[in-house]
Amino acid sequence: GESVGLHLPTLSVQEGDNSIINCAYSNSASDYFIWYKQESGKGPQFIIDIRSNMDKRQGQRVTVLLNKTVKHLSLQIAATQPGDSAVYFCAENGADTGRRALTFGSGTRLQVQP
Amino acid sequence: DGGITQSPKYLFRKEGQNVTLSCEQNLNHDAMYWYRQDPGQGLRLIYYSQIVNDFQKGDIAEGYSVSREKKESFPLTVTSAQKNPTAFYLCASSPKTGTVAFFGQGTRLTVV
Repeated sequence: GESVGLHLPTLSVQEGDNSIINCAYSNSASDYFIWYKQESGKGPQFIIDIRSNMDKRQGQRVTVLLNKTVKHLSLQIAATQPGDSAVYFCAENGADTGRRALTFGSGTRLQVQP
Repeated sequence: DGGITQSPKYLFRKEGQNVTLSCEQNLNHDAMYWYRQDPGQGLRLIYYSQIVNDFQKGDIAEGYSVSREKKESFPLTVTSAQKNPTAFYLCASSPKTGTVAFFGQGTRLTVV
């Protein structure tokens, strides 16, 4: 497949370790945030979401943390596996802009070393 | 794929030609979107549609056009006015705008 991000920041972790991917969002009025995973040559897949009235949300092996004070979002992946290797994007809904579509960050490439 | 079908997967276009990318969804979603992705960048919004017969420009609408005549379909035309059309194009849909969007598998357009 093709690479979707040749110059993305890269996080390299060992299989079995925990991964933390960070995202700084731009709009303080955004009230809904999503993490997506994108494998090479494919469309983004939904991982987990969180609303602004929450600080933390957990899924299966994943946790999203939201710090509204500093406009920061993080995705934690527990016991990282080779299948987690992909590019990860955060997205926000920009609730006050009148634009009714998600705005995406630039992405982080996660590489899992066996 | 989440019920969103983009076709074709790969598309080649000669300079000066218009080309239309197909996007169909069977999720009964009201909202649909087109994003463009270039290497080293995130997704940039081209156009979106909240309901049938309505659509709005996104951040990079110049050189593109869309239609929304049916709820299931949101085709994107890349016109000859788009100066740098080579990119990966992603279509998405959501129950309503501002909620989680589900993506198709993309169309890679190359100008030859």
